[in-house]
Amino acid sequence: GENVEQHPSTLSVQEGDSAVIKCTYSDSASNYFPWYKQELGKGPQLIIDIRSNVGEKKDQRIAVTLNKTAKHFSLHITETQPEDSAVYFCAATLTGNQFYFGTGTSLTVIP
Amino acid sequence: NAGVMQNPRHLVRRRGQEARLRCSPMKGHSHVYWYRQLPEEGLKFMVYLQKENIIDESGMPKERFSAEFPKEGPSILRIQQVVRGDSAAYFCASSPQDIRGYDTQYFGPGTRLTVL
Repeated sequence: GENVEQHPSTLSVQEGDSAVIKCTYSDSASNYFPWYKQELGKGPQLIIDIRSNVGEKKDQRIAVTLNKTAKHFSLHITETQPEDSAVYFCAATLTGNQFYFGTGTSLTVIP
Repeated sequence: NAGVMQNPRHLVRRRGQEARLRCSPMKGHSHVYWYRQLPEEGLKFMVYLQKENIIDESGMPKERFSAEFPKEGPSILRIQQVVRGDSAAYFCASSPQDIRGYDTQYFGPGTRLTVL
């Protein structure tokens, strides 16, 4: 099955700086890569996703890049704000199958 | 359009009791996934169901755990004879699986099970 690795496990940035979280996957057949934000005591919330036919996708301060050859994808958050503090999970899947999640990155934005 | 609903939000059981977790998918979604999350860990897949069918249960323990998604009503994850190791947050996600093949999963708030 698929194996997803996520780094770093913890990340602290100053408010206004950028944050980058990286994930690698093992199964070249995977074609869908979502990112979720989980706040304490809540369920994961989808924040952005990318499919294998696209190399980059952006939504306001959040962007995701995908390198299919290297089998890695990254989440970029610019102009970070304190409310961005949360745990972020990446996932990989082949359409119609279970999601394989990374182990999460705890992001702290320091005011 | 209401999101994925799960109840109860918190459930306390003593060892040996049964736990029943419910999940109502988003309106129009006919695919349900269950995941388990241990403290400070990622989400681990348990089971994938469509209405009246189990599609993939490869992540669910063979004993004590069962899941269903009946034609009417919510999906149920049942854990019989709970043990302390079952203490975790259990999340349900639903997906539209529409004709475009989009399979984005939307998560509920979770049920936090504590086994005493």
